Amino acid sequence: NAGVTQTPKFQVLKTGQSMTLQCAQDMNHEYMSWYRQDPGMGLRLIHYSVGAGITDQGEVPNGYNVSRSTTEDFPLRLLSAAPSQTSVYFCASSYGRGNSGANVLTFGAGSRLTVL
Amino acid sequence: AQSVTQPDIHITVSEGASLELRCNYSYGATPYLFWYVQSPGQGLQLLLKYFSGDTLVQGIKGFEAEFKRSQSSFNLRKPSVHWSDAAEYFCAVGGRDDKIIFGKGTRLHILP
Repeated sequence: NAGVTQTPKFQVLKTGQSMTLQCAQDMNHEYMSWYRQDPGMGLRLIHYSVGAGITDQGEVPNGYNVSRSTTEDFPLRLLSAAPSQTSVYFCASSYGRGNSGANVLTFGAGSRLTVL
Repeated sequence: AQSVTQPDIHITVSEGASLELRCNYSYGATPYLFWYVQSPGQGLQLLLKYFSGDTLVQGIKGFEAEFKRSQSSFNLRKPSVHWSDAAEYFCAVGGRDDKIIFGKGTRLHILP
């Protein structure tokens, strides 16, 4: 049972380049989300999804796109990278429906992105 | 709007002393509340959660937290800290079928 798998772990981009951070979970979780972590700012929610075909914006969605075509995968796309997007990105998932296990997030190991 | 405030950016306590980390939240319905811990260079680990019922919840590593609806607070406590507790602690709020929002974190330093 792999849990939440994020790739790549490290990436360096130049300003204006595009890339996709991959996130996959094998726990049949309905809820998936992307956070970015910056010093002194905690974890800020970028986008989230409560099920396949459904996505919504979080606190800091600008510059990022997501889609959820399957339950397992939730990729995060940077269409034109900017230095302000230098950060550590975490994908997280949970059962997402109001039972006793709902909303306890399982996190991926993180992806460190540097934009030059 | 859904939000979490952790008023203390850094806290320093001596090993063996008691600890309380503050968390205040804003949420329009019955909140689900969480505390997570992140050790340096590591991912996030759930310490404890509150969904309903007893307002004093026990977690791992000897931590506990108390939900006080009237104060919109969910403070984390430990009676005696160990050097291994040095880490960053995050409070989070969500709800049934809702997104989860985190606070900015409190970094805990332990004096020997």
